[in-house]
Amino acid sequence: DAGVTQSPTHLIKTRGQQVTLRCSPKSGHDTVSWYQQALGQGPQFIFQYYEEEERQRGNFPDRFSGHQFPNYSSELNVNALLLGDSALYLCASSLSRGEQYFGPGTRLTVT
Amino acid sequence: GESVGLHLPTLSVQEGDNSIINCAYSNSASDYFIWYKQESGKGPQFIIDIRSNMDKRQGQRVTVLLNKTVKHLSLQIAATQPGDSAVYFCAERKDSYDKVIFGPGTSLSVIP
Repeated sequence: DAGVTQSPTHLIKTRGQQVTLRCSPKSGHDTVSWYQQALGQGPQFIFQYYEEEERQRGNFPDRFSGHQFPNYSSELNVNALLLGDSALYLCASSLSRGEQYFGPGTRLTVT
Repeated sequence: GESVGLHLPTLSVQEGDNSIINCAYSNSASDYFIWYKQESGKGPQFIIDIRSNMDKRQGQRVTVLLNKTVKHLSLQIAATQPGDSAVYFCAERKDSYDKVIFGPGTSLSVIP
């Protein structure tokens, strides 16, 4: 049984560009949450998707958007990239109520 | 506001000794308190959690203690092993489907 998978593993972008990160949840899970983890810090909640709708959102600007597909996989989109967006982006999946299982993350570097 | 913080950013222990990692939280409304382990290049891994109506919970070699009076959470690891070397995060959730709020982390280094 595959756990949470994320792609790509690493990504380098230039300021002002747009990026899309992908997440496949653990089998049987219907909820996907996205977190941003800056170097040396704890993950910060971006948003959560359930039944293809954004259920909760953290304190992130509208440049951060997402989507959940009928198969429960999810995408995180970031527009107009800033240097400060460089971070590890983590996806976590869960059943609607329950423990969150984290993927290995996507390391985004903005130059 | 909501925040979860740690007293010690780094901790070094001898292999075989017990480790204690401490955490302070500020949101009295949280119902779940969680400890995660994050190894280099990996996402956080769930270790153990405790609900707000409990003060102690034990797992395999780990014990979590919750003191609601002083808003303090701790993780005890018995007979620490080299494989326990990682960054440990305390975290909280208001309920079972809420977002996870992480603290800044403690780096645990086990000395062989």
